[in-house]
Amino acid sequence: DAGVTQSPTHLIKTRGQHVTLRCSPISGHKSVSWYQQVLGQGPQFIFQYYEKEERGRGNFPDRFSARQFPNYSSELNVNALLLGDSALYLCASSFYRGEGQPQHFGDGTRLSIL
Amino acid sequence: AQSVTQPDIHITVSEGASLELRCNYSYGATPYLFWYVQSPGQGLQLLLKYFSGDTLVQGIKGFEAEFKRSQSSFNLRKPSVHWSDAAEYFCAVEDSGTYKYIFGTGTRLKVLA
Repeated sequence: DAGVTQSPTHLIKTRGQHVTLRCSPISGHKSVSWYQQVLGQGPQFIFQYYEKEERGRGNFPDRFSARQFPNYSSELNVNALLLGDSALYLCASSFYRGEGQPQHFGDGTRLSIL
Repeated sequence: AQSVTQPDIHITVSEGASLELRCNYSYGATPYLFWYVQSPGQGLQLLLKYFSGDTLVQGIKGFEAEFKRSQSSFNLRKPSVHWSDAAEYFCAVEDSGTYKYIFGTGTRLKVLA
């Protein structure tokens, strides 16, 4: 079975632009979370979606938004890009949203802002 | 608030030597704890998890971790390191209620031939 897939793998944007990152969870998984990993740091939680509803949001500005589709895939959108948005964006899926559910990560999208 | 500390930023060991990576957590109740490994340019792979019960948990690739409530620690160990174990290792705790993961800053492992 395919794991979590993310696209694109790499992206270069300039300041002020907008970006959309995509994630397909493992088949049967209904919960998707997004994390930002800045170089040299651990991943930081951005959003969690379950059954197409936002269930959690991290300490990120409103420039960051996301949604989950009926097939449980998800998009992360970032507006008005800043240099500090350069990072690896990771998507993780789990079977459902609940205690102890292991999250399975994709290989991420590397976003570089010039 | 929950937090995770990985005191060692870098660790270097010789191939065949034993390994212990430290992880300390701050959490009020019994935590759900995880260890992940990240190879360069890749995502995170789950090595093992602790929910409750036996405090020594076995994972993939020959790794194990021991939960010690009295020390608020969840250290990762491997008896004999292979060159392919060179990677970055992250400890994480699940935040109660939100189910998001809180990660440590990671430990980068270098293996000498």
